This record gives sequence, C-alpha cells and structure tokens, in this order.
Amino acid sequence: GDSVTQMEGPVTLSEEAFLTINCTYTATGYPSLFWYVQYPGEGLQLLLKATKADDKGSNKGFEATYRKETTSFHLEKGSVQVSDSAVYFCALTGGSYIPTFGRGTSLIVHP
Amino acid sequence: DVKVTQSSRYLVKRTGEKVFLECVQDMDHENMFWYRQDPGLGLRLIYFSYDVKMKEKGDIPEGYSVSREKKERFSLILESASTNQTSMYLCASSLGQVRSEQFFGPGTRLTVL
Repeated sequence: GDSVTQMEGPVTLSEEAFLTINCTYTATGYPSLFWYVQYPGEGLQLLLKATKADDKGSNKGFEATYRKETTSFHLEKGSVQVSDSAVYFCALTGGSYIPTFGRGTSLIVHP
Repeated sequence: DVKVTQSSRYLVKRTGEKVFLECVQDMDHENMFWYRQDPGLGLRLIYFSYDVKMKEKGDIPEGYSVSREKKERFSLILESASTNQTSMYLCASSLGQVRSEQFFGPGTRLTVL
C-alpha cells in the first residue's frame, strides 16, 4: 500500500536558518502530494500541494517540488521565523479519498 | 471563509460514559473523516464517510461508531469511554474527488478519567 516517510524530529533551528524537512513516499500511480502544518493546540491546515511530477508548491515562503524520479517531496524554507514552530506533516492522496500521512516532524525555532 | 467546526475543544468524561463528538463543515463536502492523534503515532483514521448515511471503517474503529444523517454533520460516538481513548480527536472533510486536500477542524482534546 501507499506510505509516507518523513524525517523524525524535533528539528531545532535558530531564527533565519535554512530549513529542510525530508519526505519520501511509496505509491502506485500518480498521487497528489501535500504538506500540512499544525500549530500548537490547533488542527492541521494545508500548507502547500503539488499534483503532478515537477510541480512546485509554495506558500508563506515554504516550497516543495514533486520529484517522481526520487519519490520525494522535501519541504524547504530559506529563513525560518519563531512563528514557524509547529508540526509538519507530509501526505499523499492516490487513487482513493483517503490520504496517507507521515508521522509528522516537529520544528522548534529559537530567537 | 470555509470552516470545519468541532463541538468542544476540551472534554473530560468518566470511564463508561457515552461520549458524542460533533463535527460540522460548511463547504458542502462529500467526504468526512475522524482521526485520533497521539504522540509518536501520528494521525490514525477511525472512520470515514463518503456520503450521507454511508460509513467505512478506518484503521482503528474498535470502540467507536459514527453517524452521518446530514451532509454537513459527522458525529463520532464512544459507546463506553475507556481511559485508552484519551486523545486528540480531529475531524476533516474533503471534496468527493480522489486526490483532494483535506480541511481540518481545531480538534477536541478528550480526557477519560
């Protein structure tokens, strides 16, 4: 079946550092790929998405590129802020209504 | 602004009680989901509904039931709450198309004493 593997956290960075959170997937066919973010005490919200190979999703300074050849969808941001501290989930939705989520990666940004 | 709302942010119940968690979405979405979220385990799907009165079991349906009498409302029922059901419960909805993104509610943190 489908699966998503993302790096374990927590990832701890200083403000203005460069962020990469790795995500790789296994799926049949051509899934859509997503990054969701969960701020403390809240539900998940969509951060960005990509629906086909080589698409780049972007939002709030975050970017991720759908790499079919490496089955990856790594999340990047050039300069993180304290307000980016949250849990980030990589997910895919293939040929069904039900998404497959990674375990989540906690990001902690210090001033 | 599109929304998924959940009836309570925090809930404390006693072992053996019947517990109702309500979720309402205003986006006319066909699909609705209930997850629980526990540290180290990520999100686990409890039940899923793709239409009114339709439901499918997810990965961990034991001890739970659901009801969807109207398109906008999806209820999760704990028939007899137990301490191991203490968790964060998240409701989500999506369009009735494959590969659709999900919209989540704020979550209900349930504590069973």
